[in-house]
Amino acid sequence: QLQLQESGPGLVKPSETLSLTCTVSGGSMSSKSYYWGWIRQPPGRGLEWIGKIYNSGSTQYNPSLRSRVTISVDTSKNQFSLKLTSVTAADTAVYYCVVDTFMAHWGQGTLVTVSS
Amino acid sequence: QAVVTQEPSLTVSPGGTVTLTCGSSTGAVTSGHYPYWFQQKPGQAPRTLIYDTNNKHSWTPARFSGSLLGGKAALTLSGAQPEDEADYYCLLYYNGPRVFGGGTNLTVL
Repeated sequence: QLQLQESGPGLVKPSETLSLTCTVSGGSMSSKSYYWGWIRQPPGRGLEWIGKIYNSGSTQYNPSLRSRVTISVDTSKNQFSLKLTSVTAADTAVYYCVVDTFMAHWGQGTLVTVSS
Repeated sequence: QAVVTQEPSLTVSPGGTVTLTCGSSTGAVTSGHYPYWFQQKPGQAPRTLIYDTNNKHSWTPARFSGSLLGGKAALTLSGAQPEDEADYYCLLYYNGPRVFGGGTNLTVL
């Protein structure tokens, strides 16, 4: 049973870069033919799909975020990461890492607040 | 980017049946959109109920079912229980990117 856990700063200043890591346990990422993804949810609002990455490094991003988002994977560490540049208050949200394939496994989510 | 639409809110009586729908601004929703349905209760992470139109995970209660209906994806709840009161989101695939609907707040009353 895969388990996912997000980690990273809970507070980021405007115009800076948001960086989060998702650590996967309960199985080896390299042995899975899965996409690994990120989803976010601003407080009191709906879900937004951010993007996904395959073990090979192939990515797909939300077109509205594509210019600011990078998702990377490090299968040797059983981790994948999210970077979002030039953040504003609108990027304040709970960020979830997920197994994008079948969406069976979600992290608990981590709140990132953008504020000076 | 496509816009995915859901009913903002619905109410169902305990034991009753309700259908939530998920439409696409690009036209009819098909199996090629690989529709997903999620349930989210306050303060919790979403939980996936349905994937690829009508497939259930092991934890999905039998009273939930997914289908395509009238050009939309649909989630039908038959025999609603009080614990089914939650927000429900659909997710559609667009040849790479995915897009969430705005969510349906379901009240069991």
